[in-house]
Amino acid sequence: GAGVSQTPSNKVTEKGKYVELRCDPISGHTALYWYRQSLGQGPEFLIYFQGTGAADDSGLPNDRFFAVRPEGSVSTLKIQRTERGDSAVYLCASSPKGGGYEQYFGPGTRLTVT
Amino acid sequence: KQEVTQIPAALSVPEGENLVLNCSFTDSAIYNLQWFRQDPGKGLTSLLLIQSSQREQTSGRLNASLDKSSGRSTLYIAASQPGDSATYLCAVKPGSARQLTFGSGTQLTVLP
Repeated sequence: GAGVSQTPSNKVTEKGKYVELRCDPISGHTALYWYRQSLGQGPEFLIYFQGTGAADDSGLPNDRFFAVRPEGSVSTLKIQRTERGDSAVYLCASSPKGGGYEQYFGPGTRLTVT
Repeated sequence: KQEVTQIPAALSVPEGENLVLNCSFTDSAIYNLQWFRQDPGKGLTSLLLIQSSQREQTSGRLNASLDKSSGRSTLYIAASQPGDSATYLCAVKPGSARQLTFGSGTQLTVLP
């Protein structure tokens, strides 16, 4: 079956611009996670959705970052007033439920802020 | 705060060798531990998931063990092949949280 998909695969934007990154989870998966991975590091948690609601957004670095999942499926990560330090790979994962279920990751979106 | 450490950061071995990758975590109150593989410029592929009540999991040439009390896990790769070259990441799910906490990974190169 289809895995987690993310678009775009690459995004280059200028400092100060607004960007949206999209994640399409595995069909039927109710839990969705966003992580950010800097070069040479492991992914770091940003936000977790269970259904339509953000159950834990404690990893969002500041109020320039926001994510939605209005219908409990596709999610969009939104970054306002981008800064060069936002450059990273943004990974999305989904799982059948929260808790101890295995997480399945998408290929990521590489964001470069110039 | 849970911290995950992977040693070594990089490893280079000749083809055919058996090898062990190490992962340690500071808080033993975990729900499960997952090993992932990441190829350059790609996402993460799940290799093995060990629940906190389990001691090990096996898949083909891979075997992962978990010693929760000492805060350690190992990933054993038998008869390594050049196609095994990738970065291997260890991640734990704390008992109280839903998200994973990752180590920085071990970059493995298997030389033909």
